[in-house]
Amino acid sequence: QQQVKQSPQSLIVQKGGISIINCAYENTAFDYFPWYQQFPGKGPALLIAIRPDVSEKKEGRFTISFNKSAKQFSLHIMDSQPGDSATYFCAASRAAGNKLTFGGGTRVLVKP
Amino acid sequence: GAGVSQTPSNKVTEKGKYVELRCDPISGHTALYWYRQSLGQGPEFLIYFQGTGAADDSGLPNDRFFAVRPEGSVSTLKIQRTERGDSAVYLCASSLMNTGELFFGEGSRLTVL
Repeated sequence: QQQVKQSPQSLIVQKGGISIINCAYENTAFDYFPWYQQFPGKGPALLIAIRPDVSEKKEGRFTISFNKSAKQFSLHIMDSQPGDSATYFCAASRAAGNKLTFGGGTRVLVKP
Repeated sequence: GAGVSQTPSNKVTEKGKYVELRCDPISGHTALYWYRQSLGQGPEFLIYFQGTGAADDSGLPNDRFFAVRPEGSVSTLKIQRTERGDSAVYLCASSLMNTGELFFGEGSRLTVL
């Protein structure tokens, strides 16, 4: 059973544009929602994370929006740059430090 | 080194052979995780250690997979009687207890012929 569903699978955006990736989860016990960025041949690296007590969190050009009632959360990458070209994974866990359940990933390509 | 170190980076083996994959976490990190990532998919949880003990091994697919962390630092993932379906990148991550941020290594790519 896939507990975290991610869309789209791939995304092409022009430099300076906005990249939007969406995730939906099923397990209402989840209370920690991180996003990871992965470059080819590398391990995932934490980008930004949110807990369900807030609806939005912003760090630089990256923003997470969280909708607890809909069990959905999304990542917005503002002013996308070619260096942002990577695969992005949403994830969820019952608590920070517990096992993460990852989405299927979104491959983002930012065209110069 | 400063990051999570995994060896070997690549391993090619034949079906039925035994394989060991090693993970050296960031110094001082008490939690250690193993994940498996197949091509084009997200990482899939295998097992999680808190100190020397396995806190959660619910992701191990079957009894051919086993992991140890005898001194609470380095961990070894052991796969017996490998099958072609075991081919994947095996990722190790570590974290400070309950902080949430996992630091991943670059993975060990296993290919079973």
